[in-house]
Amino acid sequence: DQQVKQNSPSLSVQEGRISILNCDYTNSMFDYFLWYKKYPAEGPTFLISISSIKDKNEDGRFTVFLNKSAKHLSLHIVPSQPGDSAVYFCAARHPTGNQFYFGTGTSLTVIP
Amino acid sequence: EAQVTQNPRYLITVTGKKLTVTCSQNMNHEYMSWYRQDPGLGLRQIYYSMNVEVTDKGDVPEGYKVSRKEKRNFPLILESPSPNQTSLYFCASSFSNGATQYFGPGTRLLVL
Repeated sequence: DQQVKQNSPSLSVQEGRISILNCDYTNSMFDYFLWYKKYPAEGPTFLISISSIKDKNEDGRFTVFLNKSAKHLSLHIVPSQPGDSAVYFCAARHPTGNQFYFGTGTSLTVIP
Repeated sequence: EAQVTQNPRYLITVTGKKLTVTCSQNMNHEYMSWYRQDPGLGLRQIYYSMNVEVTDKGDVPEGYKVSRKEKRNFPLILESPSPNQTSLYFCASSFSNGATQYFGPGTRLLVL
């Protein structure tokens, strides 16, 4: 059973606008959350992370929000650029043994 | 250049023929992991290792073996591959907490 879910397989956004990617999880024990970006024919690359003790983390154009009560996190990209077009995976870490669970990915297309 | 390398990048084999996919990292990372990526299922963790001689099962370990005899290498072994192991495999490494993982370029495996 999928413990980390990304319910939107795809998202299209105009260049310069905000992209919001969503992720839900079921296990309240998860202590660390991450977003990875993946281009075709490459491995995922780390984008941004957040600890479960925080509710927001920013890095340049990227901000991750965590709502623990709703078991929901989101990635905001502002402003969106064509180079942001990729598949985005959210991931969560279980503190017992450092096992990781990934979502199914959201394919973001930024239209010039 | 800091990197995770995997070999081979592409492999076609037949059911039951043992194979090994190698993974090596040059960043002195303690944590290494194997994932498989399948359509609609995202990335799923197969095995991970917190350090030399320490390995643990991930979410989908059945049909796979790993070993960690040296810090830099973490081979994935399929003793008797089956068609349901046809997938895209990624190796990853990170420092001890596993949080920011660096991924290899992937190995695409087809089992006939």
